[in-house]
Amino acid sequence: NAGVTQTPKFQVLKTGQSMTLQCAQDMNHEYMSWYRQDPGMGLRLIHYSVGAGITDQGEVPNGYNVSRSTTEDFPLRLLSAAPSQTSVYFCASSYSGTGRYSYEQYFGPGTRLTVT
Amino acid sequence: GQQVMQIPQYQHVQEGEDFTTYCNSSTTLSNIQWYKQRPGGHPVFLIQLVKSGEVKKQKRLTFQFGEAKKNSSLHITATQTTDVGTYFCAGEVNNAGNMLTFGGGTRLMVKP
Repeated sequence: NAGVTQTPKFQVLKTGQSMTLQCAQDMNHEYMSWYRQDPGMGLRLIHYSVGAGITDQGEVPNGYNVSRSTTEDFPLRLLSAAPSQTSVYFCASSYSGTGRYSYEQYFGPGTRLTVT
Repeated sequence: GQQVMQIPQYQHVQEGEDFTTYCNSSTTLSNIQWYKQRPGGHPVFLIQLVKSGEVKKQKRLTFQFGEAKKNSSLHITATQTTDVGTYFCAGEVNNAGNMLTFGGGTRLMVKP
């Protein structure tokens, strides 16, 4: 199993450009999520999905869109990049804990995004 | 909204010294998870605590969940250079089905 994969590993954007960060998992996990990591601020949840066709906002959703058309893929779209979106982005997946406590999350290797 | 605070933010220790990081939540948690992130890497799951007052050990690492399920700690005995990294706690409220709130992390640096 490849686990959770993310592409690209690095990306530089100019202000106003759009792009999609790709995330895929091959563990048949129902739950997938996107986090951003900024120095000293831990991991903040952007969007999450509990299954194909279902998405919801996390703590910091503004400026980002997601969709979940398949169980395996959960892309994150930046609509109009801003310098404040410079960060490291992690995708994570797990079995769904609905109705019980959560399962451990598996993280991808991350995408380092710089917006100039 | 729910907040999870973690202290200290940084900790330098001499190899062989002990290390503790503390995690405090503004609300009662249904469970708490701990993750380790090596420099340049991604978070990796260490352990999950579910019961009030629970204590779990993994070799030199001891994890505790408070009686009120609002705080937790990770203690490392006799640190080694391989312990270097950032340790995160992540709490879940009300069996919300995977939504975890992460603490800010404690970055551990070990001098050989």
